[in-house]
Parts: sequence; structure tokens; C-alpha cells
Amino acid sequence: AQKITQTQPGMFVQEKEAVTLDCTYDTSDQSYGLFWYKQPSSGEMIFLIYQGSYDEQNATEGRYSLNFQKARKSANLVISASQLGDSAMYFCAMREANSGGSNYKLTFGKGTLLTVNP
Amino acid sequence: GAGVSQTPSNKVTEKGKYVELRCDPISGHTALYWYRQSLGQGPEFLIYFQGTGAADDSGLPNDRFFAVRPEGSVSTLKIQRTERGDSAVYLCASSLRGQGGSPLHFGNGTRLTVT
Repeated sequence: AQKITQTQPGMFVQEKEAVTLDCTYDTSDQSYGLFWYKQPSSGEMIFLIYQGSYDEQNATEGRYSLNFQKARKSANLVISASQLGDSAMYFCAMREANSGGSNYKLTFGKGTLLTVNP
Repeated sequence: GAGVSQTPSNKVTEKGKYVELRCDPISGHTALYWYRQSLGQGPEFLIYFQGTGAADDSGLPNDRFFAVRPEGSVSTLKIQRTERGDSAVYLCASSLRGQGGSPLHFGNGTRLTVT
């Protein structure tokens, strides 16, 4: 089974509007973390936002917020007031404990390509 | 400050040759990761170092792949007898603690093309 599922291969949004990128995850751990990364066409992976499984509040970082619904195992990224520079691939990733109890590796989804139209 | 540095940025090699890819992590980061990203896919985990030791090399596809981090800083990913299927972008990342909410900081990657 896929650990991280991003069901939207591509999304379009008008400049200045908000957009939600979907992410669902699969884990039996109680303690885990969820990350979102942005990868522009230049290729670098840019960390955007983090949500811990025990965090009560949804994480926010500037125009980025994470809509965390633990019971549904979803961690959707919301980008408000989209800008042309937001056009990029967006990856959801999860850090969970491995069989030895260590917690270090990030597993990534396949990504969503966001295009912001002027 | 300086980010994660990877060299070379591009490498073209012939099938069967040996290649080395270098990663210079952020100073003070004890955790170092190698990932491989094929076109249209998310990064796939290869190997994780905590300090000098490879704590998890379960993602290495076969014994042609090997990585070292002898002094706990710079790391080298080594690929022997390269095959066309090895063509991909190889990403290195470092992390302050390698656990919890400590994010991975990625380099710009090495694009490997095996002809």
C-alpha cells in the first residue's frame, strides 16, 4: 500500500485565489510527522510546513496552512492568495518510526503539479 | 548560511562505468540522506547516515550502490557498473537532528545520465 497518496497529478488556480492540495497517508504509528515540500522547475526541494501527529492546532507558515484531519488520515496543504511563483511540484511526505523504533526517514508521495494562471 | 552542496550538478557516463557523487551537508547537521528521483516521481529513499555510520541503507537498490561518510560531514555515493536504469536525479539532504519535526534540507541534486 502507498504510504502517501496525492490524488491530484495536476491542479490549476487563478492568481490571488486559494488552492488546496490533497494528501492522505497510511500508518499504524501513533507518533509521526507530515511535511510539505515545493519543487520548482529549477529542481531544488524547498521545505514549506510541518505538522506533528500530536499537534492540536493546524500548522501555518505565512500563506501556507496544513488542514490536518487525523481521523481521516489527511494532511492537505492550503495555499492562500496564490502567486505566479507558486507554480511548482508539491510533495507531501511522512516521517514515521521504522521497525526498530527509530524515526528519521521521510517517505514522499508522487506529487501534484500546481499551475498558477495570471 | 550555506546550504547543501552537491557536485557535480550533471554527470553523463557510459554504461558499465563507475561514478561518484558528492554531498557537502549544512555545517552542524548530523543526519544525512540520499534520495533518488526519477522523472515525474517523488524522491525515493536510498540511505541515511547519523554521524559517520550508515544507520539505514535499506533503500539501496543493489550492491552496485554504496555510500560513505567517513568523517561525519561530506558523503559520497558510489555507483559501480552503471546501467541505463540508474539515470535519475540523485538528491542529498541533511537535517539537524534527523527526527521529529526537524526538516530535511535538500541540495540541488546531481542529474546522472547513463548512455
